[in-house]
Amino acid sequence: SQTIHQWPATLVQPVGSPLSLECTVEGTSNPNLYWYRQAAGRGLQLLFYSVGIGQISSEVPQNLSASRPQDRQFILSSKKLLLSDSGFYLCAWSVSGRYEQYFGPGTRLTVT
Amino acid sequence: KNQVEQSPQSLIILEGKNCTLQCNYTVSPFSNLRWYKQDTGRGPVSLTIMTFSENTKSNGRYTATLDADTKQSSLHITASQLSDSASYICVVSLASGTYKYIFGTGTRLKVLA
Repeated sequence: SQTIHQWPATLVQPVGSPLSLECTVEGTSNPNLYWYRQAAGRGLQLLFYSVGIGQISSEVPQNLSASRPQDRQFILSSKKLLLSDSGFYLCAWSVSGRYEQYFGPGTRLTVT
Repeated sequence: KNQVEQSPQSLIILEGKNCTLQCNYTVSPFSNLRWYKQDTGRGPVSLTIMTFSENTKSNGRYTATLDADTKQSSLHITASQLSDSASYICVVSLASGTYKYIFGTGTRLKVLA
């Protein structure tokens, strides 16, 4: 069966510090991968998606970046965090051509 | 503009009661509509998915309906339980691309004993 992991589960970082969130998927090959941010009382905002290794598309210009060094690994990074980067970050995967998306457990990021 | 609107924003009901959540969308071209349940601090979990030709789909005590003509969907929860307390999110996919999902802001449901 397929599983998706995210870590860390929670993170508190000072403004200006770097960020690295990791997401890995098990039990499937060549998944489409997504990074979302969910702010309190807001819908999920798509940040990045990837259809293959090294293929990253950005939906929202910001100080975040994403990388896909391996087929089932998706990393969200920042060189310098802003207060506005606080939120709940969700990684998701889907099979190309299929509608269903599967979400990870999420990372709660608080920038102080 | 592609949008998904959900109502009510929040809802409180007593355990054992039924409730219905609404989702209206202005998304084109439409591909499918999904309902997710999201427990606090967790990732969303899929409840139902419906394509254009389907007008009802059940998953246990959850029943979703879709009216593609009026662009409305509802999620009906029967005999609510305390564990149903969560946010319920409506998501509409565009037909043009597998990554084009429009998310509603959700309905926060609280079931009281």
